[in-house]
Amino acid sequence: DIQMTQSPSTLSASVGDRVTITCRASQSITIYLAWYQLKPGKAPKLLIYDASTLQSGVPSRFSGSGSGTEFTLTISSLQPDDFATYYCQHYNSYYTFGQGTKLEIK
Amino acid sequence: QVQLQESGPGLVKASETLSLTCTVSGGSIRSYYWGWIRQPPGKRLEWIAYINYSGGITNYNPSLKSRVTISVDPSKSQFSLKLTSVTAADTAAYYCARRVTRGGYFDYWGQGSLVTVSS
Repeated sequence: DIQMTQSPSTLSASVGDRVTITCRASQSITIYLAWYQLKPGKAPKLLIYDASTLQSGVPSRFSGSGSGTEFTLTISSLQPDDFATYYCQHYNSYYTFGQGTKLEIK
Repeated sequence: QVQLQESGPGLVKASETLSLTCTVSGGSIRSYYWGWIRQPPGKRLEWIAYINYSGGITNYNPSLKSRVTISVDPSKSQFSLKLTSVTAADTAAYYCARRVTRGGYFDYWGQGSLVTVSS
């Protein structure tokens, strides 16, 4: 099984900050990686797929990069609506998710 | 706008079968794959299974395969999940989602349905 490890588990930041979340795969998944935003009581939202492709309708302050085993999600300037939990997911074979990164208001 | 809505009992007794249905609206169930993902309290998301719109293609998480059945009813724009012999470890928020045809990511999700397994 491919294991996905995110860091950090919790991130405290302020509105306007630039933040980066890292996701590492236990073996190469080429670019088969997606990022999601989860908020309590709401449907999860797809942000990025194929490691760096922005899903339609997602603000351009979100970006993804990486290939192989190391990937990043960057939010260029945090907005109040961005405080949530973020998960990476690989889809190289079966699908597994990272453990999540909770983005908190500092 | 595609919308998905999970429905089913919020409480299931241990050793019994968990059954959930997802109703798709605002778009066709055809030409896509449809899946279930769950999240136990305090744990990461876990993919359970997916099925194509005709039911001819299914894929299951190996760790759950022996207990899971996924099915689809295109005439009702619904797909369903059955998980047998549940235990407390199956307590989770269960999400239904649409999987894109090319690729394994999920572009539309339901809000989730919390299912608690009681002893």
